[in-house]
Amino acid sequence: GAGVSQSPSNKVTEKGKDVELRCDPISGHTALYWYRQSLGQGLEFLIYFQGNSAPDKSGLPSDRFSAERTGGSVSTLTIQRTQQEDSAVYLCASSEGRRSPLHFGNGTRLTVT
Amino acid sequence: AQSVTQLDSHVSVSEGTPVLLRCNYSSSYSPSLFWYVQHPNKGLQLLLKYTSAATLVKGINGFEAEFKKSETSFHLTKPSAHMSDAAEYFCVVSPSGSSYKLIFGSGTRLLVRP
Repeated sequence: GAGVSQSPSNKVTEKGKDVELRCDPISGHTALYWYRQSLGQGLEFLIYFQGNSAPDKSGLPSDRFSAERTGGSVSTLTIQRTQQEDSAVYLCASSEGRRSPLHFGNGTRLTVT
Repeated sequence: AQSVTQLDSHVSVSEGTPVLLRCNYSSSYSPSLFWYVQHPNKGLQLLLKYTSAATLVKGINGFEAEFKKSETSFHLTKPSAHMSDAAEYFCVVSPSGSSYKLIFGSGTRLLVRP
């Protein structure tokens, strides 16, 4: 079946611009996660959605970052007024629930010039 | 606080020789532990997971890992490396026993020489 789909796969933007990154989880998966992977680093948790519950936004690095999940399916991560330090690969993952393994998308590589 | 340490940033082996990727964890609770693999320009794929059942866990592609509580280790091994094993490997701990808010190690890049 289809896996987690992320778009775009690559995004180059100028400093100060806003960007939107999209994630289509596996159908039926109630949990959705965003992680950030910076060069040579492990993965940094950003935000977690579980069903209709309020999301855990504790990993968002600043108020320039926000995310939403519409209809319990597709999620969009928005970065406003991008900075060079926002350059990274943004990975989305979904799972059947809190105790299930994560299925990752291929990520969006964001470059802020 | 929970943490995970991957002891080697790079490991290089010859094709057909054993692979050992080391991981130590710190957790106040009985953790769930995972190994994920990431091939270039791809997302992460689950190799195996430990959830307090058998201490020796078998995963995909011939990989296995042994949970050693006394050593707080969860090293990943494979008897014979294949060229297709070249990738980045991440050791991951889920302190609460769920897949929520996983803590990732910094990764080990495995190079396989022909």
